[in-house]
Amino acid sequence: DIVLTQSPLSLPVTPGEPASISCRSSQSLLHIDGHNYLDWYLLKPGQPPQLLIYLGSNRASGVPDRFTGSGSGTDFTLKISRVEAEDVGVYFCMQALQKVWTFGQGTKVEIK
Amino acid sequence: QVQLVQSGPEVKKPGASVKVSCKASGYRFATYGITWVRQAPGQGLEWMGGISGYNGNPNYAQKFQGRITMTVETSTSTAYMELRSLRSDDTAVYYCARATMLRYWGQGTLVTVSS
Repeated sequence: DIVLTQSPLSLPVTPGEPASISCRSSQSLLHIDGHNYLDWYLLKPGQPPQLLIYLGSNRASGVPDRFTGSGSGTDFTLKISRVEAEDVGVYFCMQALQKVWTFGQGTKVEIK
Repeated sequence: QVQLVQSGPEVKKPGASVKVSCKASGYRFATYGITWVRQAPGQGLEWMGGISGYNGNPNYAQKFQGRITMTVETSTSTAYMELRSLRSDDTAVYYCARATMLRYWGQGTLVTVSS
């Protein structure tokens, strides 16, 4: 199975400052169709996960433009340009390239 | 609008089975698959498997092979996930989501396994 490794696992942030989360894959997630099958989700307590970014860099509908996904192959990054208080939670990357999907361990974002 | 509504919380004893349902509405059920994900207390997200809404073909994570069954009932646009031989570490919130690009999720079903 593909292993996704996120870093950091904990990220204290200051509102208004940028934040960045890395997700590295044990295998390339670039499909022959040209898409990277890597999504980003935000999990908040008591809520189902929320899709933020799909296919590596596409922002899901309704997601603020301060969230940006980038990368290709095995290295991906989720960036928040200016963190807001409502962005706290646990961020997960997930690969859907292979028949067996896998999640990263999660990165807990909290306000300093 | 797309909605996924899951069945209510369950309390089971070790060794028992649980069957969680996920009723879809607002889209053509056969067009999309259903994915099942769980989150144990204090843990991350775990992909359990998925099933085609078109032909009911399932695909399970190796970890659950042999004790999980996913099915769909196209007449009612409902997906089911049954987990057998429950253990205490199966205590978790179980989610269904419409595949792929998991934009739409059920509200979650808490399954508690305790003697």
